Amino acid sequence: EVWLLESGGTLVQPGGSLTLSCAASGFTFGSHAISWVRQAPGKGLEWVAGINERGIGTLYADSVKGRFTVSRDNSKNTLSLLMNSLRAEDTAIYYCAKRLIADTGPFDYWGQGTLVTVSS
Amino acid sequence: DIQMTQSPSTLSASVGDRVTITCRASQSINSWLAWYQQKPGKAPNLLIYKASTLQTGVPSRFSGSGSGTEFTLTISSLQPDDFASYHCQQYHAYPLSFGGGTEVEI
Repeated sequence: EVWLLESGGTLVQPGGSLTLSCAASGFTFGSHAISWVRQAPGKGLEWVAGINERGIGTLYADSVKGRFTVSRDNSKNTLSLLMNSLRAEDTAIYYCAKRLIADTGPFDYWGQGTLVTVSS
Repeated sequence: DIQMTQSPSTLSASVGDRVTITCRASQSINSWLAWYQQKPGKAPNLLIYKASTLQTGVPSRFSGSGSGTEFTLTISSLQPDDFASYHCQQYHAYPLSFGGGTEVEI
């Protein structure tokens, strides 16, 4: 059974830092690109960052470029998102999601999400 | 960047209705479009990809069509379990992008 499970979401002050983790199982982790997608309260989905199968290539939305860093450890089937200089507008549920085929295709499996709240 | 525009943002319907949701891309994305269903408090669930390919396990009352810049999701006969939000997503190019979502309500 395929699953992804995020952790690390919490309340953090503006300007602070936080690292989210995503553990995965049930598929060949190192054969699929994975992304972080977020959803602010009552809003739509926003792609945040993605990393290719080997972890060599990373891409970011303009809204987080220079502040967020995505990485992966294929030996441990885990993905991380380091978030620096957090702002109120980063408040959202953060999902990790795997691509259907290598580094292409839609997101066929998602985690249940972890809530990040940026507030003083 | 490719902008995705969904309409309507909210749709009121009844059980048994035929429902159509539209998604428009700001430039051609060929057929690299997916549709997701999302229920409150849950993660999105993939319904359709490559504009018209039904994901395994998705009921046949769901269908997708379109190519280029105009796409539709159709539910042929709305069931109680279908009252949810629906999102389109392009995966033609980075940054990947989603439509604003459509809430299907009773």
